[in-house]
Amino acid sequence: TQLLEQSPQFLSIQEGENLTVYCNSSSVFSSLQWYRQEPGEGPVLLVTVVTGGEVKKLKRLTFQFGDARKDSSLHITAAQPGDTGLYLCAANSWDTGNQFYFGTGTSLTVIP
Amino acid sequence: EAQVTQNPRYLITVTGKKLTVTCSQNMNHEYMSWYRQDPGLGLRQIYYSMNVEVTDKGDVPEGYKVSRKEKRNFPLILESPSPNQTSLYFCASSSSGTALRDTQYFGPGTRLTVL
Repeated sequence: TQLLEQSPQFLSIQEGENLTVYCNSSSVFSSLQWYRQEPGEGPVLLVTVVTGGEVKKLKRLTFQFGDARKDSSLHITAAQPGDTGLYLCAANSWDTGNQFYFGTGTSLTVIP
Repeated sequence: EAQVTQNPRYLITVTGKKLTVTCSQNMNHEYMSWYRQDPGLGLRQIYYSMNVEVTDKGDVPEGYKVSRKEKRNFPLILESPSPNQTSLYFCASSSSGTALRDTQYFGPGTRLTVL
């Protein structure tokens, strides 16, 4: 069962371009997180969003939690090669308690 | 240094030969979890533990066992490994495991190949 669907699965862009990654579900979540994973390492937390409609900014990254708490987006402005990595959303719902679900991941490559 | 450690980092074994992957955290975290990562499927939770002697199944628990006898350790046991358990495994921990509001800290991963 894939609770969280991410799109696109792969993304290759030039340095300086903008991009948006989506994380969608039919379930309602109590909160949602975004992680970045680099090759050979474990995921590292970028942000947690907990309120429907919430927008958080982390330098050039903007995260939004949908009003209905079923989806989220990650927007990167002026992408840099250092942004290259696998981006994962993760969530749990009130139904699943402390069980976590991760999205399928978006592999981003930023070409210098 | 606060960290989650896993051993071994790489393991090649044969079908049916019992193995254990160890996980240890030095942050006094209550919540610990095991995930497997496969191409196109993201990370899937195998088991998690809210505290000592408390463990629960995740999304894909079949073929795995865990134990939580001490707060810092959470070993993953494969009693009879099969080729479909070939994967990249991650251990993670967080302070309280209160829903998804705590930061999960991940270990470096264990790449397991079952022949």
